[in-house]
Amino acid sequence: AQSVTQLGSHVSVSEGALVLLRCNYSSSVPPYLFWYVQYPNQGLQLLLKYTSAATLVKGINGFEAEFKKSETSFHLTKPSAHMSDAAEYFCAVSTGTYKYIFGTGTRLKVLA
Amino acid sequence: DTAVSQTPKYLVTQMGNDKSIKCEQNLGHDTMYWYKQDSKKFLKIMFSYNNKELIINETVPNRFSPKSPDKAHLNLHINSLELGDSAVYFCASSQGGQGGGEQYFGPGTRLTVT
Repeated sequence: AQSVTQLGSHVSVSEGALVLLRCNYSSSVPPYLFWYVQYPNQGLQLLLKYTSAATLVKGINGFEAEFKKSETSFHLTKPSAHMSDAAEYFCAVSTGTYKYIFGTGTRLKVLA
Repeated sequence: DTAVSQTPKYLVTQMGNDKSIKCEQNLGHDTMYWYKQDSKKFLKIMFSYNNKELIINETVPNRFSPKSPDKAHLNLHINSLELGDSAVYFCASSQGGQGGGEQYFGPGTRLTVT
């Protein structure tokens, strides 16, 4: 069965600092992996996805994530945080069976 | 043009009532979903529909009955509402579900049961 673990339910960074949000997955088959962002009182919006084409995936708003099979990780990074990045971030896994498993989310706070 | 829309955005009702939430997507996708997000932001899949057929039913109480009249619509009817049903319900769509297609989410419906 697939599962997703997001380490750190809350992460605070200073504006301009590196953002690192951690995601580890468990899957018995090659997974599809996603990062979504949720702003207050809104639905989820796709940041990026991994579908085995390239291990380093670039997404919107300057975010990127690297798929590391040996570590079963798909951590999300951004070189320089902006105030507008403050939101809830979700990692998700799918094995292509119409089912997506979401992590418990990480709330990112950006300090001025 | 809203890709995935839900109505209503807010729903306040009393225990025991029956209510419906509607969802429509204009992306031409063939797969639609319902998710429940609880107060701790945990997002759990409830149902998946592909080409109007139920594919996934995640042990949801049978008080919840989804209906897909066509590929662009997936409605959720809830009977005999309980306090524990209070949550935000999200509709989503994707093109296929077997190839890891990304999901597009609606804005959510905040259901409060008193």
